[in-house]
Amino acid sequence: GENVEQHPSTLSVQEGDSAVIKCTYSDSASNYFPWYKQELGKGPQLIIDIRSNVGEKKDQRIAVTLNKTAKHFSLHITETQPEDSAVYFCAARSMGGKLTFGQGTILTVHP
Amino acid sequence: GAVVSQHPSWVICKSGTSVKIECRSLDFQATTMFWYRQFPKQSLMLMATSNEGSKATYEQGVEKDKFLINHASLTLSTLTVTSAHPEDSSFYICSGTGAANTGELFFGEGSRLTVL
Repeated sequence: GENVEQHPSTLSVQEGDSAVIKCTYSDSASNYFPWYKQELGKGPQLIIDIRSNVGEKKDQRIAVTLNKTAKHFSLHITETQPEDSAVYFCAARSMGGKLTFGQGTILTVHP
Repeated sequence: GAVVSQHPSWVICKSGTSVKIECRSLDFQATTMFWYRQFPKQSLMLMATSNEGSKATYEQGVEKDKFLINHASLTLSTLTVTSAHPEDSSFYICSGTGAANTGELFFGEGSRLTVL
């Protein structure tokens, strides 16, 4: 089955800096790669996603890149703000529709 | 994005009792629903996949007789934890999609189960 590895497990940045979280996946047939933000005690919230036919996608301060050959994808947050502090999960969806999550990254943005 | 409503948001029960968690898609028809479990400071682990009108498919290691899943309509799926024990205490999260292989996955707010 699919295996998703996510790094780093914790990330601490100063407000205004950029944050990058990286994930690798194992199933070359996976076709959809969403990123979720989870705040304490809440369900995951989709913040951006990318499909396998696209290499990069951007939405304001958030961007995602996908390298299908290397089977890795990354989340980039620019101009970070304290409210960006949360746990971020990457995920990969395999052909059966099953979504496999990475281990999560605790992002802390210091004012 | 689409809205998935999950209820209750938290529940405390005694060991040996059963607890039902409801997951509703409010503005789309969820042909497929997924149930996840999340232990503190850990990632989401898929428990089962259910398609409307069909029996759920459980992941390896998940007891189907303990975690009963019903997906009787395109807008409602339920998870019943039967004979709950303290080790079942966890955060349970449902998600729905209109198309399992191509659609976005929308998550509920989660249900915190504490078994005493």
